Amino acid sequence: GQQLNQSPQSMFIQEGEDVSMNCTSSSIFNTWLWYKQEPGEGPVLLIALYKAGELTSNGRLTAQFGITRKDSFLNISASIPSDVGIYFCAGANTGTASKLTFGTGTRLQVTL
Amino acid sequence: EPEVTQTPSHQVTQMGQEVILRCVPISNHLYFYWYRQILGQKVEFLVSFYNNEISEKSEIFDDQFSVERPDGSNFTLKIRSTKLEDSAMYFCASTPWGQGTYGYTFGSGTRLTVV
Repeated sequence: GQQLNQSPQSMFIQEGEDVSMNCTSSSIFNTWLWYKQEPGEGPVLLIALYKAGELTSNGRLTAQFGITRKDSFLNISASIPSDVGIYFCAGANTGTASKLTFGTGTRLQVTL
Repeated sequence: EPEVTQTPSHQVTQMGQEVILRCVPISNHLYFYWYRQILGQKVEFLVSFYNNEISEKSEIFDDQFSVERPDGSNFTLKIRSTKLEDSAMYFCASTPWGQGTYGYTFGSGTRLTVV
C-alpha cells in the first residue's frame, strides 16, 4: 500500500523559532493536505495543495506540493505555544469518494 | 462553522461484544468516511460510503465491520464482535462531494476501549 513517511518524528523548539517538517511518499498523489491534531481531537485541516509545485500560505504556515508529486513540506514561522500538537500530512488521489492516506506524524513541542 | 458530531466520545466494551459508533455528518455532505487511529499511530482509512453503498474499504474493514445510514442524519459504524486490537480512536468524516478533498471535515472521534 501507499506509505507516507514524515520527518522529523518529533521536535522540541523554543517559542519564536521557525519549524520545518516534510513528508515523502512511495507513490504519487494529486492532492496533499496538512492537518494538525491536538489531544482528544480529530484532525483539523491547515492547508490543502492541489497542484505540483504549488506554494500556499495560511498565516504563519506555508506548505509546498513537491514537483515530483511524491513529497510536501510544511513550515511554521515564529512558533507560539498553541502550535503544540501532532502534524500529519495526507495524500489523496481524488476520484469518487476520496480516501486520505495519512503520514506518520510529527509531534511538535514548543517551550517558552 | 458546520461540524461532524460523534457519539459517544468514549466507549468501553468487553471483548466479544457488539458496539455501534455514531456520527452526524455535516448536513449537506453526501460522502461519509470512517477512519481509525490506534494510540500513538497514524490515522488509517477504513471505509467510504455514498448513496447508501460502500464506495471503498481498506483491508482493515473486514467482515466484523459494517456501516449504515439508518436515517437522513446518522452514519454508523458497527463492530460485531470486538477484539482487544479494536481499541482505538475512530473518526468519522464527511465531504460535500466525492471529487476532490474540499470541505473534508473530521469529527472529534470516539475512543473505543475493549477490555
